[in-house]
Amino acid sequence: DGGITQSPKYLFRKEGQNVTLSCEQNLNHDAMYWYRQDPGQGLRLIYYSQIVNDFQKGDIAEGYSVSREKKESFPLTVTSAQKNPTAFYLCASTHGTVNTEAFFGQGTRLTVV
Amino acid sequence: GEDVEQSLFLSVREGDSSVINCTYTDSSSTYLYWYKQEPGAGLQLLTYIFSNMDMKQDQRLTVLLNKKDKHLSLRIADTQTGDSAIYFCAESRRADKLIFGTGTRLQVFP
Repeated sequence: DGGITQSPKYLFRKEGQNVTLSCEQNLNHDAMYWYRQDPGQGLRLIYYSQIVNDFQKGDIAEGYSVSREKKESFPLTVTSAQKNPTAFYLCASTHGTVNTEAFFGQGTRLTVV
Repeated sequence: GEDVEQSLFLSVREGDSSVINCTYTDSSSTYLYWYKQEPGAGLQLLTYIFSNMDMKQDQRLTVLLNKKDKHLSLRIADTQTGDSAIYFCAESRRADKLIFGTGTRLQVFP
């Protein structure tokens, strides 16, 4: 079955550490997105990529980095520069432009301990 | 600004209709969407409306769009406990970004 997979589902990080969240899709979608979800704030766009080897900053890119070396994969690194990383992170993909349905992964809950 | 706004909570009795409202800011948005999020999960597309439409009906769901006021609403008829979730409206902007609202938590009680 085609879909979008995020791993791990839960992640704990010590302060000062970098962590990488995985996002893989087998939908042959061109565009991929990372969102951060906090209670009462909805989804905020971190980074997005429309094609391989290219990506753009979203609204809250500071403290995060991404890569898009393969069409199927769009990993997100939460760096130590991100001051408040505890949140629920969602990855999504669309075929071409956003004027089509976005498919979401099940999310990764990151907690700083 | 780029805000897409929704009220945070809505509580309805089972069998009643629910109306979830959304206001957006970008008049150039071509598509507007409603997504549903179950607890601890990702989002799933419920329905969408093209910006040149006023209304779209899909079984128990009715979407109304007032483009002049930049107001979007989702009506769920005969609301069931299984409809309890967070509902997000979203707009496509410049064909390369999806901007989501703050989400409305719908609670359905017996």
